[in-house]
Amino acid sequence: EIVLTQSPATLSLSPGERATLSCRASQYINMYLVWFQQKPGQAPRLLFYGASNRATGIPARFSGSGSGTDFTLTISSLEPEDSAVYYCQQRAFWPLTFGGGTKVEIK
Amino acid sequence: EVQMLESGGGLVQPGGSLRLSCAASGFSFSRYAMTWVRQAPGKGLDWVSTISDNGGPTYYADSVKGRFTISRDDSKSTLYLQMISLRAEDTAIYYCAIYQQLGPMDSWGQGTLVTVSS
Repeated sequence: EIVLTQSPATLSLSPGERATLSCRASQYINMYLVWFQQKPGQAPRLLFYGASNRATGIPARFSGSGSGTDFTLTISSLEPEDSAVYYCQQRAFWPLTFGGGTKVEIK
Repeated sequence: EVQMLESGGGLVQPGGSLRLSCAASGFSFSRYAMTWVRQAPGKGLDWVSTISDNGGPTYYADSVKGRFTISRDDSKSTLYLQMISLRAEDTAIYYCAIYQQLGPMDSWGQGTLVTVSS
């Protein structure tokens, strides 16, 4: 089973600052990684598929990068509405696995 | 508009059974793989099961293998999850969603809460 390790667990930043979230896979997964955003009381929302392909309606301040074992989600300039938990999921091998999540707090 | 509507959750005793349903609309249901993901209260996301399109293979997390069965009725655009031998650790909100290994389709329902407790 592929283990995804997300860091940091919590990120507390001010509006306008840059957020960098990491997801590291225990084995090579090529580009088969997705990122989700989940706000309290809501279902997850797809941000990126194939590591770097922005999903429909996702603002340009969000970017995804990486391949192989190391992946990054970057929010270039935080907005208050970006407060959420962000999860990565690998889709390279069964069983599918999620990372533990990074909580982004806006000061 | 793509929509998923889960139902069938509720309170069940340990060892009991439930069948979850997910009614899909707004897209060609039969053309897509579908998946169940759950989230225990205050915890992260946990993949449960995926079924391929066109009656293809099914996949399960080890934690539910042998107890849960995923199925679909393409004529009704409905996804199912039959759950037996339920345990306290199965308590979670269960979401259904479209699954693509490498693609942009993404739509989740609001989830249905399953509580396993005596």
